[in-house]
Amino acid sequence: KAGVTQTPRYLIKTRGQQVTLSCSPISGHRSVSWYQQTPGQGLQFLFEYFSETQRNKGNFPGRFSGRQFSNSRSEMNVSTLELGDSALYLCASSFFGTGDNEQFFGPGTRLTVL
Amino acid sequence: SQQGEEDPQALSIQEGENATMNCSYKTSINNLQWYRQNSGRGLVHLILIRSNEREKHSGRLRVTLDTSKKSSSLLITASRAADTASYFCATLLIQGAQKLVFGQGTRLTINP
Repeated sequence: KAGVTQTPRYLIKTRGQQVTLSCSPISGHRSVSWYQQTPGQGLQFLFEYFSETQRNKGNFPGRFSGRQFSNSRSEMNVSTLELGDSALYLCASSFFGTGDNEQFFGPGTRLTVL
Repeated sequence: SQQGEEDPQALSIQEGENATMNCSYKTSINNLQWYRQNSGRGLVHLILIRSNEREKHSGRLRVTLDTSKKSSSLLITASRAADTASYFCATLLIQGAQKLVFGQGTRLTINP
């Protein structure tokens, strides 16, 4: 069974630009969660999508948004990038949803904002 | 502030020794999970322990949970160089949004 894939793996953007990250979950998983990891703040929950609906949301500004498609693939968008958005963005998939069972993580997308 | 706090922040031991990492949390939880991360890569799930469980084993891993003290520990026995990684505890809260809240992690180094 193929694991969680994330594209692109690395990305360099400049302040003010926007970026879209993609996550393909394990086949059959309907839940996709997104996390931001930085040295200062650690791993922080962004949001979770389940069957195309945002089910949970973390404490991030509206510049961070996401969506999920009917095939469970998910995209995350960050608009008006700031230097502080530089981070490793991880997505995780599971069958039932966030927290109540094992989350399978992708390798992450390393975003650098210059 | 973080729900989960790991202790120690860094741990360096010799191969073959046991490694113990601790996690404390603040509010009531549904479950607690341990993950491993190698060098800025994705996380790998190790063990999930529910609030009504006290101990779980998986291979060389042993996790305990003390809900009265709001703490958990991860024991890795007979450590190997390949165990070098960062270890995170994550809690699923009973109340509020259904999301995993991660601690800051323990950086474990196994010296050959």
